Parts: sequence; C-alpha cells; structure tokens
Amino acid sequence: QLVLTQSPSASASLGASVKLTCTLSSGHSSYAIAWHQQQPEKGPRFLMKLNNDGSHSKGDGIPDRFSGSTSGAERYLTISSLQSEDEADYYCQTWGTSIRVFGGGTKVTVL
Amino acid sequence: EVQLVESGGGLVQPGGSLRLSCAASGFTFSSYEMNWVRQAPGKGLEWVSYISSGAGTRYYADSVKGRFTISRDNAKNSLYLEMNSLRAEDTAVYYCAREDRAVAIFDYWGQGALVTVSS
Repeated sequence: QLVLTQSPSASASLGASVKLTCTLSSGHSSYAIAWHQQQPEKGPRFLMKLNNDGSHSKGDGIPDRFSGSTSGAERYLTISSLQSEDEADYYCQTWGTSIRVFGGGTKVTVL
Repeated sequence: EVQLVESGGGLVQPGGSLRLSCAASGFTFSSYEMNWVRQAPGKGLEWVSYISSGAGTRYYADSVKGRFTISRDNAKNSLYLEMNSLRAEDTAVYYCAREDRAVAIFDYWGQGALVTVSS
C-alpha cells in the first residue's frame, strides 16, 4: 500500500534552517513526489517536484531558499533562512496507478 | 497566468446533493488531467477524484466512490464534482487541482469552496 509518512510538527528560529522528511512506504522508494505549502487560511501552493535521484523543479516564484533532496525512501524539503511567512503546513504528495496520495502534513513553526 | 476558481459550495442537509464547479483559465484546459482534493476542518489534505484530459478515465477515493461523480466540459474550460448522498464527514473545503503533464503531481490549485453538510 502506497503511504507517505510525515512528522506532525517542526520548528526553528527565524533565519535558521529546517529540514522536513517525507517517507515512502516499502516497495515505493523510487517514486517521485511533490511538496506543497499551505499557509494559514489559504489554499495549497505547489513548491516543487522531487525525483528519486534528488533532482527537483520548483513552481513559479518559489524562492531559492526552498530546496529538495533524497535518500533512499526519504524525500526532504529544506527551508533555509526561515521567514515568518514560512510558518505553514507542508504536505508531500505522490501517485499510484489509480490514486493520488498525500502525507499527513508537517506544521512548521517559526520561533 | 493559470487560474482555477471553484464555486458552488454551501450548506446542505445530510443526504442532499451539491454540484461544485471549477473554472480554469490561463492554460489549455483540454490538455490537462484534473483532480478534486478536500480538507476537513483542522485536518490534512485528502484526494477525492481524478479525471483524464478527455474524460475517458476517472478515479475516486474509496470514501466517495458511488456517491460523487467527476466530469469536465473542455469547451467551457470547466471541471465539476457532483456530490450525492452527502454525509457530515463530507464537510470540507474542496479544491480543484491541475496535474503536471509529465507526472501525476499537482502543480496549480484553486482557492477552495466550502461545503458544509449539516441539519
């Protein structure tokens, strides 16, 4: 079964970095994913597509301080130089033959 | 500029029906697969349904299968979600989302339409 697992929360200080993890279920470690950001009271926003080789392509207007990387079944989103507007929920997303799947989301708090 | 604008949300009684619409602009709508995603209050994102560019293929989450129907009108650049036999647990903000043409990730989202199922 295709499942994406995310930690519920993460926090870091203003100007620091935070690294979020999305883990693919067993047997699906080669899958690409997407990262989406959802700021409070807003709709989701596509951040980037992240391939299993670590290459990634960002959405329109996404700052350079957002980057992605990969290790095995884990997909990472690193936010550098944290800004107050980065306080949001972050979701990973992938797909199967007839389904689309989201992780449970990680709430990022900027201290 | 790509835009997706949902409409048709509102308050409906349990067992009732509602039809959501998503108006697309800024891209060749007929070339893209589309999806509906929902978010219950205080919860995460849940995929609801998918439709291929030509409407020949449709997928549904188990939670809505048999009750919801996704459709599209490429001449009107519009996506629809017909929701029947609504339940309290269907209460959510419903988003339409465009799929990337190469891989099945969502690259643009609408602002959402709130559906409240309550008596």
